[in-house]
Amino acid sequence: GENVEQHPSTLSVQEGDSAVIKCTYSDSASNYFPWYKQELGKGPQLIIDIRSNVGEKKDQRIAVTLNKTAKHFSLHITETQPEDSAVYFCAASRDSGTYKYIFGTGTRLKVLA
Amino acid sequence: EAGVVQSPRYKIIEKKQPVAFWCNPISGHNTLYWYLQNLGQGPELLIRYENEEAVDDSQLPKDRFSAERLKGVDSTLKIQPAELGDSAVYLCASSLTGSVTDTQYFGPGTRLTVL
Repeated sequence: GENVEQHPSTLSVQEGDSAVIKCTYSDSASNYFPWYKQELGKGPQLIIDIRSNVGEKKDQRIAVTLNKTAKHFSLHITETQPEDSAVYFCAASRDSGTYKYIFGTGTRLKVLA
Repeated sequence: EAGVVQSPRYKIIEKKQPVAFWCNPISGHNTLYWYLQNLGQGPELLIRYENEEAVDDSQLPKDRFSAERLKGVDSTLKIQPAELGDSAVYLCASSLTGSVTDTQYFGPGTRLTVL
């Protein structure tokens, strides 16, 4: 079945450094890729997304890149701040019919002050 | 504007007991989702509603799980009887329409512990 692998499972960075989280998906028909941030005791919150007709998208300190050939997409956070500490989930989905987000297993990011 | 509301936030029950979770989506959102999130894992879709119609319940274990969304607004998810393996966080989300690119807004979840 469809699967999304996410690495690393935990990531610690110094405040101000960059963080990169990588995901690989198995369903070649996937064409929508959202990223969610989940803080302790809260539900996931969408932070950025990308569609398959775009290779890169930026929103302030956050960027996502997509390589459809390799079925690989990544989240980049620059100038990390303590409030970026959370669990981040990638997801992949088709854009047709009975769509379903397939989530990765999550990356726990710790930004050290 | 209020976000997605879920209750209760925490529930502890003994196995074989029934349990129900309630969700109130963001006002005006036609699509409602129930997800299961096991510890250390990403959410997994259980069921998706478009208004009051369940358009995808393929992942819902129908022998013990049931859901309803009366009048296309609030929704309840029920487990009867609960098993030890049902211990998890049950998340509700809503979106304006059923488009895959519509932002899904998640509630805080209900943490279920089955003893």
